Amino acid sequence: DVKVTQSSRYLVKRTGEKVFLECVQDMDHENMFWYRQDPGLGLRLIYFSYDVKMKEKGDIPEGYSVSREKKERFSLILESASTNQTSMYLCASSLGESSYNEQFFGPGTRLTVL
Amino acid sequence: DAKTTQPNSMESNEEEPVHLPCNHSTISGTDYIHWYRQLPSQGPEYVIHGLTSNVNNRMASLAIAEDRKSSTLILHRATLRDAAVYYCILRGLGQNFVFGPGTRLSVLP
Repeated sequence: DVKVTQSSRYLVKRTGEKVFLECVQDMDHENMFWYRQDPGLGLRLIYFSYDVKMKEKGDIPEGYSVSREKKERFSLILESASTNQTSMYLCASSLGESSYNEQFFGPGTRLTVL
Repeated sequence: DAKTTQPNSMESNEEEPVHLPCNHSTISGTDYIHWYRQLPSQGPEYVIHGLTSNVNNRMASLAIAEDRKSSTLILHRATLRDAAVYYCILRGLGQNFVFGPGTRLSVLP
């Protein structure tokens, strides 16, 4: 069974802390994505990666960075967490760039920044 | 990115068919129509996708209008577990997924 796993389901951090959200996929997918989901705003793309050590900004990259050192792992980093980064964070992966490729999502990490 | 329009919410009775509509009048010839759903407290999951022809899989059917300006996701027999937010998304070459607000489906026992 294909799987995307995220390191935590729930996380509570303090303002100013550095936060790492980890995502691992076991499907040998090239592409990986980080979204955040907020009530009334839907899913918004933060960053994505089409290959190891490669990253592209999505629609809302400010305040975030990413790391992809290995194909199966894509990390989202909040350098200095702020309260407006309290959100549900969703990781996804897909096989290729074709417009018919589906995305597989992880269960999400609900981050609260106090 | 091409846009889609879906009703905010719909209601269905258990074990009855559900037809979830999606309008995408600005669709281009290379855009695929994708449907995802998001169950409570979970990440979105793939349901079905198509380009021009109707598609069937174990979860649902996708009916695509001849002019491709609209499509309908069909759940043949709704169950309580089908209560979710359903997203209709167009994806073209080199484009990322853009999730709109979707349709919140309630299934009544």
